Amino acid sequence: GAGVSQSPSNKVTEKGKDVELRCDPISGHTALYWYRQSLGQGLEFLIYFQGNSAPDKSGLPSDRFSAERTGGSVSTLTIQRTQQEDSAVYLCASSPTGVDYGYTFGSGTRLTVV
Amino acid sequence: AQTVTQSQPEMSVQEAETVTLSCTYDTSESDYYLFWYKQPPSRQMILVIRQEAYKQQNATENRFSVNFQKAAKSFSLKISDSQLGDAAMYFCAYRGLYGNKLVFGAGTILRVKS
Repeated sequence: GAGVSQSPSNKVTEKGKDVELRCDPISGHTALYWYRQSLGQGLEFLIYFQGNSAPDKSGLPSDRFSAERTGGSVSTLTIQRTQQEDSAVYLCASSPTGVDYGYTFGSGTRLTVV
Repeated sequence: AQTVTQSQPEMSVQEAETVTLSCTYDTSESDYYLFWYKQPPSRQMILVIRQEAYKQQNATENRFSVNFQKAAKSFSLKISDSQLGDAAMYFCAYRGLYGNKLVFGAGTILRVKS
């Protein structure tokens, strides 16, 4: 696609429920990143994909968080048993491999856990 | 680990004036990339300007320029002829030459007064 697409744009969920956040990167971009942005804060790295593998998942805050990427394209970030501290904007970005002009970001998913 | 510090939580500038946003970073690497991103209320991160550490010449993009001081590990952003559309959160970011993720500062909110 023309840009990085994330869905849903906003999600309100009850504490304890599971949620799935989707990221559709720019076609041909082999690298994909998930970041979390808490209210008024900077961006916190969660996980990096190269193709379908995740060589760096060091930023995932707990085992309630997982992510996968299929077909070298769409990625899903899953949060199980959501907690109020999970409330944040989850941003996805993609980039080609071998060049470094920065990432292209999506508009994010605002997750609110009530 | 690399860190990025933005010491100005908030800045204001009069329309048509010039403003400088500060950023310092800490790294033991000699080659790396530095970026400034803009995040308007739409949440999408937009790349403003990029600097390669091995280039001594400061990067410039229209009204945006940087003052890159490698020895001091400083990377400030100057916005000339400020416009109302420049109002946003600005993030400074670092990436190692062989790194796979961007490390972000906490951000600076820029307000533009008419």
